Amino acid sequence: DTAVSQTPKYLVTQMGNDKSIKCEQNLGHDTMYWYKQDSKKFLKIMFSYNNKELIINETVPNRFSPKSPDKAHLNLHINSLELGDSAVYFCASSLAGGAAEQYFGPGTRLTVT
Amino acid sequence: AQTVTQSQPEMSVQEAETVTLSCTYDTSENNYYLFWYKQPPSRQMILVIRQEAYKQQNATENRFSVNFQKAAKSFSLKISDSQLGDTAMYFCAFMTYYGGATNKLIFGTGTLLAVQP
Repeated sequence: DTAVSQTPKYLVTQMGNDKSIKCEQNLGHDTMYWYKQDSKKFLKIMFSYNNKELIINETVPNRFSPKSPDKAHLNLHINSLELGDSAVYFCASSLAGGAAEQYFGPGTRLTVT
Repeated sequence: AQTVTQSQPEMSVQEAETVTLSCTYDTSENNYYLFWYKQPPSRQMILVIRQEAYKQQNATENRFSVNFQKAAKSFSLKISDSQLGDTAMYFCAFMTYYGGATNKLIFGTGTLLAVQP
């Protein structure tokens, strides 16, 4: 039983293309997140959603657009991909509020050539 | 703004020995939470241990324990009886409570731990 799943796990594409990464959680959580891990392994939050509402947007370029069709799904669409977008993108989910533990998906390695 | 610092980019330990990973943080908040996450080569992020700042008692999970020094803003992880499966990148993380409905993790730069047979 996969708690937080992401598709695809690997994505190789060319500069200028548009791509999407999908995330789904079956934990009944109402908060979901996107984190980016760069080539030096540094992890930083990008977005968070609570009940389909955007809560955190950490000065991410407009080319990145998250979409949450329902509480269990949070997708990340990236327009006009650039070389610097190459990274591992992690989805996570948690219950709302307090110090709820965040459960991470397996990550999507995006390579832009 | 909160920051998390891990000053040891890499560490090595012999199997069955004990190792301590360092973490310091900076915050003006009084209530917060601290975590250690493990990322093995599979790249899955795995929660190792957590500590609530209001608790004086150090958290322990089997072979993993922390030394939480709130005044010094220090949060080190001790791994006892190291096993080959402990080989991974370890991230210290601070959780700030972000206005009611959600929270965000602020990560350190990580310590790559290698357990040698």
